[in-house]
Amino acid sequence: SQKIEQNSEALNIQEGKTATLTCNYTNYSPAYLQWYRQDPGRGPVFLLLIRENEKEKRKERLKVTFDTTLKQSLFHITASQPADSATYLCASNSNSGYALNFGKGTSLLVTP
Amino acid sequence: SAVISQKPSRDICQRGTSLTIQCQVDSQVTMMFWYRQQPGQSLTLIATANQGSEATYESGFVIDKFPISRPNLTFSTLTVSNMSPEDSSIYLCSVSPVDRVDGYTFGSGTRLTVV
Repeated sequence: SQKIEQNSEALNIQEGKTATLTCNYTNYSPAYLQWYRQDPGRGPVFLLLIRENEKEKRKERLKVTFDTTLKQSLFHITASQPADSATYLCASNSNSGYALNFGKGTSLLVTP
Repeated sequence: SAVISQKPSRDICQRGTSLTIQCQVDSQVTMMFWYRQQPGQSLTLIATANQGSEATYESGFVIDKFPISRPNLTFSTLTVSNMSPEDSSIYLCSVSPVDRVDGYTFGSGTRLTVV
């Protein structure tokens, strides 16, 4: 079955450093991958989308890569700030329709 | 992108009762989805709400337990029926973007606790 996996362990980094989160997919080839931010008690908020034919996409301090050979996407936050602390979800299109498949998310904590 | 108003934001319910969750979108959208997010888990798709026809349910979810209405292109409801403590979860509605290069929009979620 189609799977999206994220490192479920929390990631703790110091303010100013670059946070790198990993998303791996198996048993299918998504046309695109999306990254969302979710704060406690809130719904996910869309951050970036990268297509399978794109290697890299940037938006301000965010960067996403898509490696179809490794079946992996990396999500980077440069110059991280305590306000970046949240859970980050990776998602992709599903073969069965227009809904998204989600990974479990990675919790990021940025400490001053 | 669309703006979704979802309510209630939270509720505590007795087992055996039912709760209806509402999602109102500020623009007409074709695709609406209902997800469940259990503590520490990923978002799991319950069903796709279709306007003018029955919802399409994912494996493990049935209409008798999770009836869905979609009376028009801006509104949908999800009912959690005959609740048990195992139904305690966050329920989220979502809409697909007009342009598929954009992300999906989510409601703020309904935190349900069944006692």
